[in-house]
Amino acid sequence: GENVEQHPSTLSVQEGDSAVIKCTYSDSASNYFPWYKQELGKRPQLIIDIRSNVGEKKDQRIAVTLNKTAKHFSLHITETQPEDSAVYFCAASGELTGGGNKLTFGTGTQLKVEL
Amino acid sequence: IAGITQAPTSQILAAGRRMTLRCTQDMRHNAMYWYRQDLGLGLRLIHYSNTAGTTGKGEVPDGYSVSRANTDDFPLTLASAVPSQTSVYFCASKPGQGDSPLHFGNGTRLTVT
Repeated sequence: GENVEQHPSTLSVQEGDSAVIKCTYSDSASNYFPWYKQELGKRPQLIIDIRSNVGEKKDQRIAVTLNKTAKHFSLHITETQPEDSAVYFCAASGELTGGGNKLTFGTGTQLKVEL
Repeated sequence: IAGITQAPTSQILAAGRRMTLRCTQDMRHNAMYWYRQDLGLGLRLIHYSNTAGTTGKGEVPDGYSVSRANTDDFPLTLASAVPSQTSVYFCASKPGQGDSPLHFGNGTRLTVT
């Protein structure tokens, strides 16, 4: 089955700096790669996603890049702000044995933006 | 309600007791999922349902069961709780079986003593 590895597990940056979180996946058939942000005590919420026919996608200060050949994708946050502090999860889609598909998640990155 | 509602918000349960975590969505999504979240392990799939009347096993199904009698409800049952089932449980849904974002409920924090 799909295996998703995420690094680093913790990341501390100064306000205004950039943050990069990297993920690798194992299933070459994966076609969909979302990123979720989870604030303390809250549910994961989608912040950006990318499909396999696109190499890069941007949404204001957030961007995601995908390298299908190398099977890795990354989240880039520019001009970080204190409210960006949260746990970020990457995920990759995969087929279920019984049909349909699922998301396999990385183990998360705790991002802390320091003033 | 709008989205996914989970109940209870939190629960302390004695080992060996039976417990059902409730999940209801009002988005008419066909696919629903139960994940557990543990520190350092991310979110792991327990069970899923592609449509009403069907269910399947995820990565960590042992000790759990689900049912999908209708589109809206997808309860998760622990037949005889054990301390290793202490976790935060998230119900999620999406419109169909294709690639699309998951919508999550607010989670249930379960402690088994």
